[in-house]
Amino acid sequence: KAGVTQTPRYLIKTRGQQVTLSCSPISGHRSVSWYQQTPGQGLQFLFEYFSETQRNKGNFPGRFSGRQFSNSRSEMNVSTLELGDSALYLCASSFGTNEKLFFGSGTQLSVL
Amino acid sequence: AQSVTQPDIHITVSEGASLELRCNYSYGATPYLFWYVQSPGQGLQLLLKYFSGDTLVQGIKGFEAEFKRSQSSFNLRKPSVHWSDAAEYFCAVASYNNNNDMRFGAGTRLTVKP
Repeated sequence: KAGVTQTPRYLIKTRGQQVTLSCSPISGHRSVSWYQQTPGQGLQFLFEYFSETQRNKGNFPGRFSGRQFSNSRSEMNVSTLELGDSALYLCASSFGTNEKLFFGSGTQLSVL
Repeated sequence: AQSVTQPDIHITVSEGASLELRCNYSYGATPYLFWYVQSPGQGLQLLLKYFSGDTLVQGIKGFEAEFKRSQSSFNLRKPSVHWSDAAEYFCAVASYNNNNDMRFGAGTRLTVKP
């Protein structure tokens, strides 16, 4: 079965713009988590959605938001982009809580 | 809050040599511990995890890890490294009630010499 799919694979934006990233989980998975990966800060947890509800949230400003649809697909939005938002954004899905996480290949966002 | 320290940023080993990657965690309760591997430009792949029970856990690709509560450690080992093992390795800890919220270490980059 298909893995976790993230689109787009690469994205270039300028400061002040907003961006939406998409994640399609493995079929049947209801939990989607988002992580930001940068060389300086490493992998940081953004938030997790389960059955269309945000269940956990990391320490990121309100410019970072997300949502999950009834088919479990999730989107992450970043408004008023800053240079420091340049990162690899990883999405991971699982069937439920305390299940194995499957990661997508990520969306590489560059903010100029 | 839980946290993870990987003391070694970069390790180089010769092909065929043994490997140990260090991981120390901080968590007030029983931790859920994981090791992931990431190849360049790719997402993370789970190597192994520890929830409870036997403190020596076996994973994929010949990796194993040992949970030592007294040392707050969860070191990853492999008896004989292959060139294809070159990658970035991440240790992670999660809470008992929701291991979808994981805290990762900074990672250890493994280089394998021929």
